Amino acid sequence: SQELEQSPQSLIVQEGKNLTINCTSSKTLYGLYWYKQKYGEGLIFLMMLQKGGEEKSHEKITAKLDEKKQQSSLHITASQPSHAGIYLCGAFYGDDYKLSFGAGTTVTVRA
Amino acid sequence: DSGVTQTPKHLITATGQRVTLRCSPRSGDLSVYWYQQSLDQGLQFLIQYYNGEERAKGNILERFSAQQFPDLHSELNLSSLELGDSALYFCASSVAGVLETQYFGPGTRLLVL
Repeated sequence: SQELEQSPQSLIVQEGKNLTINCTSSKTLYGLYWYKQKYGEGLIFLMMLQKGGEEKSHEKITAKLDEKKQQSSLHITASQPSHAGIYLCGAFYGDDYKLSFGAGTTVTVRA
Repeated sequence: DSGVTQTPKHLITATGQRVTLRCSPRSGDLSVYWYQQSLDQGLQFLIQYYNGEERAKGNILERFSAQQFPDLHSELNLSSLELGDSALYFCASSVAGVLETQYFGPGTRLLVL
């Protein structure tokens, strides 16, 4: 979706290092979802952030929504091989029921 | 395991043919969504059904149609298939729809030769 830009497109991180992925919307976000996908497999729900600005954490993953910037970031602390995959952000804009997805960020964790 | 099931897992067919993809939502979920994922277009929303009725339509071609049955399972029908229809097709479900988590199935990989 051109409404939703993810960056970087891909990244390689050393095991144990932190990483951050960004998702920027050109329209007002009502909700922002983060999913993880192993190549060719289904999407695994990670977190959902609502309009107004939120921060949520689960295990080593923290996601924030900056309402002013219409941007969300996903931060992984002390990355592990299990964090490798494609991270997708999905936006809910409130005008219909669908999710619009970014192009994804491919994360590689090197031992 | 998200609780959403999709069959078949893989499908290989020829151009011009018609196929049906099937999805069973999580127990208790009334909404079903269909998405198409391809390398060039990414993950695109096709259509949503809620409790048997069409609720939202996205970038779905006229050659494609879907329905949701009384038992809430859904089928996506793809006809007059073209090479460009080769993609991963995902079904997702949620309880109702607005600002709820959509849980995705494992997908059906369609290859049109």
